[in-house]
Amino acid sequence: AQSVTQLGSHVSVSEGALVLLRCNYSSSVPPYLFWYVQYPNQGLQLLLKYTSAATLVKGINGFEAEFKKSETSFHLTKPSAHMSDAAEYFCAVTRTYKYIFGTGTRLKVLA
Amino acid sequence: DAGVIQSPRHEVTEMGQEVTLRCKPISGHDYLFWYRQTMMRGLELLIYFNNNVPIDDSGMPEDRFSAKMPNASFSTLKIQPSEPRDSAVYFCASSLGAGARTEAFFGQGTRLTVV
Repeated sequence: AQSVTQLGSHVSVSEGALVLLRCNYSSSVPPYLFWYVQYPNQGLQLLLKYTSAATLVKGINGFEAEFKKSETSFHLTKPSAHMSDAAEYFCAVTRTYKYIFGTGTRLKVLA
Repeated sequence: DAGVIQSPRHEVTEMGQEVTLRCKPISGHDYLFWYRQTMMRGLELLIYFNNNVPIDDSGMPEDRFSAKMPNASFSTLKIQPSEPRDSAVYFCASSLGAGARTEAFFGQGTRLTVV
């Protein structure tokens, strides 16, 4: 069975500070991993995905994530937070058709 | 393409009433998913279709829930009778292919409130 765990349901950072959102996965087979972002009253939008081509994945809006098999992690980072990054972020794992989502991390950016 | 289109965006209904949520997937996508999002349970996959055929409905909570996909461009999720605990945001998503190297595109959701 596959699952993801997002540590921290709420994260606050100052504008310009590093953003780090944590995701750990559990999978008996090599996983495919995704990060999605959800802005208020919107659907989910793909930020980036890992499909085994490269362990460091770059996504939209300056976000990137690194797949670390030894740590079973796929943490999302951004060097400098913007106010517009305030949203909820979801990590997801899949191998076939079924996306399993984490519980989400709500990012707050302080001015 | 306009993306995945869901209607209505908001629905308020009384307990016991029938509710129908609608979804138009992205043209050409062969997979369609229905998710439910609540504070308590997060995002849950309810059912998914491949080429209009329901493949896995193990996430459908009860017999009160049913979903159909009569053609490649339309799907419905029906709740009959509705209950207050069904209040949630329901998302439809579609993809070309499944899992792995494809991404799911989500609609903006339908916020359902059952009073």
